[in-house]
Amino acid sequence: KNQVEQSPQSLIILEGKNCTLQCNYTVSPFSNLRWYKQDTGRGPVSLTIMTFSENTKSNGRYTATLDADTKQSSLHITASQLSDSASYICVAPPGGGADGLTFGKGTHLIIQP
Amino acid sequence: DAGITQSPRHKVTETGTPVTLRCHQTENHRYMYWYRQDPGHGLRLIHYSYGVKDTDKGEVSDGYSVSRSKTEDFLLTLESATSSQTSVYFCAISEIAGGNTGELFFGEGSRLTVL
Repeated sequence: KNQVEQSPQSLIILEGKNCTLQCNYTVSPFSNLRWYKQDTGRGPVSLTIMTFSENTKSNGRYTATLDADTKQSSLHITASQLSDSASYICVAPPGGGADGLTFGKGTHLIIQP
Repeated sequence: DAGITQSPRHKVTETGTPVTLRCHQTENHRYMYWYRQDPGHGLRLIHYSYGVKDTDKGEVSDGYSVSRSKTEDFLLTLESATSSQTSVYFCAISEIAGGNTGELFFGEGSRLTVL
């Protein structure tokens, strides 16, 4: 069964600090891996999409890494801001299907001033 | 922001009543999806559409039906709402199949409470 496991479930850090969120996936066949940010009361918004051949991708202060051998991804946030407080969701779709997206439960990140 | 509008944004209803949620897009994307989001679960697919009048079931389709008579509109119907259908419902769209690298764009969600 395709699964996406995220850790930690929740995280509290001080403004200006860095943090790393983890995602382990057991999806086959592998197509791509995505990270979404979901603000409270809003819909998820895409941060990055990485294919099998990419092992690092950045979007501003967000950097995602992918290790296809160990089936792990991480999302690193640099110099956190209060606006980074949100849930971060890892998504790994199997290749080829319109309906095959497997969503993680998300990591709830709180940035404290 | 992608042009996706969900309505209503909030609804409270009673068990056994029919409910229809609407998703309207202005992007002319082929694929449309309905997800539900519950505490302790990742987003779960209810139904999706790959074209006008073309729909298919997702992971948690029992108790739900959908229709797509126009490219821009995708309706989700609960024929007889139950308390287990209390949830936040998200519509999403994509230009190419979501399982490929096509990016998903989500609406703002519809919060449904069934008493």
